[in-house]
Amino acid sequence: DAKTTQPNSMESNEEEPVHLPCNHSTISGTDYIHWYRQLPSQGPEYVIHGLTSNVNNRMASLAIAEDRKSSTLILHRATLRDAAVYYCILSPLLNEKLTFGTGTRLTIIP
Amino acid sequence: SQTIHQWPATLVQPVGSPLSLECTVEGTSNPNLYWYRQAAGRGLQLLFYSVGIGQISSEVPQNLSASRPQDRQFILSSKKLLLSDSGFYLCAWSFPGRVTEAFFGQGTRLTVV
Repeated sequence: DAKTTQPNSMESNEEEPVHLPCNHSTISGTDYIHWYRQLPSQGPEYVIHGLTSNVNNRMASLAIAEDRKSSTLILHRATLRDAAVYYCILSPLLNEKLTFGTGTRLTIIP
Repeated sequence: SQTIHQWPATLVQPVGSPLSLECTVEGTSNPNLYWYRQAAGRGLQLLFYSVGIGQISSEVPQNLSASRPQDRQFILSSKKLLLSDSGFYLCAWSFPGRVTEAFFGQGTRLTVV
């Protein structure tokens, strides 16, 4: 599986946008970029995924670099409830498993 | 709609005792099923996954085993628990044939004493 690199931790002020980076320089043409987040003492929850084009949903936006070697998860207005570990994962669409890395621990400062 | 049930929520077991954690999915057929473990302060480690009844793939050698006796039932077992088996165990499912979105249970926090 292609590898992703994320910062171990980030901090952001409440009600400000947050940009969470992910590097995936060895991404293949069939790899989708998935983002999950894990709130304390809970299982991960799906946030967003994309292949080539930028994606938006009610939770976040995903900006994918033109060469696809990096991507950024954007939380437009952080709240205290967004404090979590955010995982960036690569997986081909027709794949049977998701392999998580260590993710980025996001702290929101009131 | 689909739901995933995982129990128990917490478990304290002595070293050397057996383990059985159960996970069931409702509202879908032939899901992919997964067991993950998260040690304290660590990332998620994929332990087992299954694409069908009786089909189990193991990701890491360990003291645990998994079984899928029914289409929507996934069981994680151990004959003799070790202290190192302590952790947060998570069951998940995804639609067959693809992993666009995986859905996780609430987890079981296992403490081996």
